[in-house]
Amino acid sequence: EVQLVESGGGLIQSGGSLKLSCAASGFTVSSNFMSWVRQAPGKGLDWVSVIYSSGTTYHADSVKGRFTISRDNSKNTLYLQMNSLRAEDTAVYYCARALAMSGGTLFDYWGQGTLVTVSS
Amino acid sequence: AIQLTQSPSSLSASVGDRVTITCRASQGITSALAWYQQKPGKSPKLLMYDASSLKSGVPSRFSGSGSGTDFTLTISSLQPEDFATYYCQQFYTYQTTFGGGTKVEIK
Repeated sequence: EVQLVESGGGLIQSGGSLKLSCAASGFTVSSNFMSWVRQAPGKGLDWVSVIYSSGTTYHADSVKGRFTISRDNSKNTLYLQMNSLRAEDTAVYYCARALAMSGGTLFDYWGQGTLVTVSS
Repeated sequence: AIQLTQSPSSLSASVGDRVTITCRASQGITSALAWYQQKPGKSPKLLMYDASSLKSGVPSRFSGSGSGTDFTLTISSLQPEDFATYYCQQFYTYQTTFGGGTKVEIK
């Protein structure tokens, strides 16, 4: 059974850093595309980052230069390093397994999410 | 980035009703569109991909159509467990984007 369990969220001051983790089971992270998607309180879904099985990474313009997606193959775990956090980064962060499609990816399994609150 | 506009943003319907949600893309995306269902406090669930392909296990009362810039999600006979928020997502480019969501509420 595929499972994704996020951790590492919490309350952080503006300008601070936080590292989210997503422990996967039931499949191999390094053989799949993986993403982070966030959802601000009461708002819609917002794609953040993706890492391909090749190791290639992409980030949304809103987080480029501040966030970094990575993985630890030995731990079968996905990460999101978030630096220079801003109030507008406040959201529930979901990790998701991404399926490679025509030009991009869609998401077939999602974790339960971890809340990041950035105080100004 | 490609923008997706969903309408309506919310609707009220009764059990048994036929419900249609639309999603319009700011540029052509062929059929590179997916639909998700999200219930309060839960993570999204994939319903449909390639605009009209139903994910395995999703009830057949859900259907999708469209290509290019205009897409629809239809629930043929609304069930109590279908009250939720629905999102479309384009995967035409690696910079994927979501629509703003349509909340389906009980009338």
